[in-house]
Amino acid sequence: GAVVSQHPSWVICKSGTSVKIECRSLDFQATTMFWYRQFPKQSLMLMATSNEGSKATYEQGVEKDKFLINHASLTLSTLTVTSAHPEDSSFYICSARDGVSEQYFGPGTRLTVT
Amino acid sequence: QKEVEQDPGPLSVPEGAIVSLNCTYSNSAFQYFMWYRQYSRKGPELLMYTYSSGNKEDGRFTAQVDKSSKYISLFIRDSQPSDSATYLCAMRGEYNFNKFYFGSGTKLNVKP
Repeated sequence: GAVVSQHPSWVICKSGTSVKIECRSLDFQATTMFWYRQFPKQSLMLMATSNEGSKATYEQGVEKDKFLINHASLTLSTLTVTSAHPEDSSFYICSARDGVSEQYFGPGTRLTVT
Repeated sequence: QKEVEQDPGPLSVPEGAIVSLNCTYSNSAFQYFMWYRQYSRKGPELLMYTYSSGNKEDGRFTAQVDKSSKYISLFIRDSQPSDSATYLCAMRGEYNFNKFYFGSGTKLNVKP
């Protein structure tokens, strides 16, 4: 149980384009989902927390207009990186919890912006 | 001062050794303590979860919490090369369910 998937696992996009990453909880209803960013050999950096049907809460320093988060259902959250630039290249990881559990993480999405 | 401190390592041990991974924290309100294992280029995997003080054992893994010292540990017995990964500790308080605090992770290398 407690499986979280992400799609795509790896994406390359050109500078200036937008890319969407999906996060799904496969066997439980995720009332809360989290989006993290991780640079090589560094720990997780929380970007935002989203509750189903509500606007996401962004961490300080994270641009809301650049990283659009939608948590439209209890099993799906999406992160859209708008007008991507090479400095947005990173490993993006989502996690989910059902309100009583701890966080279960997805496998991550590697974004490369050329 | 960070809320959670964790030695980044790397920690290198021979196969079969007992591994001790540790985190210290500053907030006495933390009640839930987790250990995650993260392989390279993968998402973290929840290994152990404990509430308040005490020990919890699961196979070769033992999680220990000492709230009086604000210190948590993860012990791995009979370590295997497949245990080579980065181990992250995490914790949260009783009431703020969605505010988690992560350590920076300790990289473990188990040599065959």
